[in-house]
Amino acid sequence: KNQVEQSPQSLIILEGKNCTLQCNYTVSPFSNLRWYKQDTGRGPVSLTIMTFSENTKSNGRYTATLDADTKQSSLHITASQLSDSASYICVVSARSNYQLIWGAGTKLIIKP
Amino acid sequence: GAVVSQHPSWVICKSGTSVKIECRSLDFQATTMFWYRQFPKQSLMLMATSNEGSKATYEQGVEKDKFLINHASLTLSTLTVTSAHPEDSSFYICSGSQGSLMDEQFFGPGTRLTVL
Repeated sequence: KNQVEQSPQSLIILEGKNCTLQCNYTVSPFSNLRWYKQDTGRGPVSLTIMTFSENTKSNGRYTATLDADTKQSSLHITASQLSDSASYICVVSARSNYQLIWGAGTKLIIKP
Repeated sequence: GAVVSQHPSWVICKSGTSVKIECRSLDFQATTMFWYRQFPKQSLMLMATSNEGSKATYEQGVEKDKFLINHASLTLSTLTVTSAHPEDSSFYICSGSQGSLMDEQFFGPGTRLTVL
């Protein structure tokens, strides 16, 4: 069964600190993996999209990694800011039908 | 970046009434539009996929007669929740894609529906 699991479920860190969010998936065959940021009461905003051949991709202070062999991805946030407080969702696309499999998200809270 | 708007941003209605939510792609042509529903503390759940000019494809468990989707143009899709009930209260989010499901989706800000 195609699944996407994220950890931790929630995370609280101090402003200025770094953090890493994890995503494990069992989606096969794999097409691409996306990380979204969703502020409370808003729609998701794309951070990165990675295909099978990409190991790492950066978008400002956000860096995503992908290990297609172990089916794991991570999202690293550097020098966190209060505006980083949001849910971060990992989404994997299956190449068979391009269905998007959504993770439950990690709720990140940045404290001053 | 591509912008998608939704209207209204929130709506409160009485049980039994119908509610229409609009989704517009403002600066690109959305060949495909998607409608999602999100319950508190849960991730997005795809309800249906619609291509301009054709009937929407609904996900398993989503009643097509209850959630009417119209994708009349490349920039506008509407979702009508018919005979709404309190259990339909949710956060409804649309997204648009310039191609198919494999392409990047641009999400609207969402519509909060509360049915009393």
